[in-house]
Amino acid sequence: KAGVTQTPRYLIKTRGQQVTLSCSPISGHRSVSWYQQTPGQGLQFLFEYFSETQRNKGNFPGRFSGRQFSNSRSEMNVSTLELGDSALYLCASSLGRGQGSSPLHFGNGTRLTVT
Amino acid sequence: GENVEQHPSTLSVQEGDSAVIKCTYSDSASNYFPWYKQELGKGPQLIIDIRSNVGEKKDQRIAVTLNKTAKHFSLHITETQPEDSAVYFCAASGGGGADGLTFGKGTHLIIQP
Repeated sequence: KAGVTQTPRYLIKTRGQQVTLSCSPISGHRSVSWYQQTPGQGLQFLFEYFSETQRNKGNFPGRFSGRQFSNSRSEMNVSTLELGDSALYLCASSLGRGQGSSPLHFGNGTRLTVT
Repeated sequence: GENVEQHPSTLSVQEGDSAVIKCTYSDSASNYFPWYKQELGKGPQLIIDIRSNVGEKKDQRIAVTLNKTAKHFSLHITETQPEDSAVYFCAASGGGGADGLTFGKGTHLIIQP
């Protein structure tokens, strides 16, 4: 079974621009979560989508948004990029809703660099 | 919200020896505790998890113990091998899974040949 696929692997953007990241979950998984990973803050929860609805959200500004499609694929958008948004963005999928209901399976991430 | 502390930040052991990584959590309602291994250039990979109704779980060379009273849990790796070298993260999920996983800051495990 194919794992979680994230595209693109690398992105370089300029401050003020916006960016869209894509995630294809494991077949059959209905929940998609997004995490930001930085050397200073570690892994931080952004949001979770289940059945096309955002189920919960971490402590990030409104510039970070996402959506999920009917085939469970998900996209994450960051508007008005800041230098501090440079990070590895990880997508994870799971069978059930909620971070503790079933194991999360992570993709290899999208490395975003903001200059 | 939940807070997870992980120690040590770096752990170097001789090949064949055991490694222990410890985590504490703050929210007594947390009921799910996974451990992830992250290799360079890859996303975290789940290696073992435990729920709050279990005190210990083992999978071959890997074991996790949970002390709910003290709010701490530990990862034990026995007979370490070079391929065990990676960054390990513990995490906790609040009651009902309403919040995202809260991760520790990670432990860089180095296996010395």
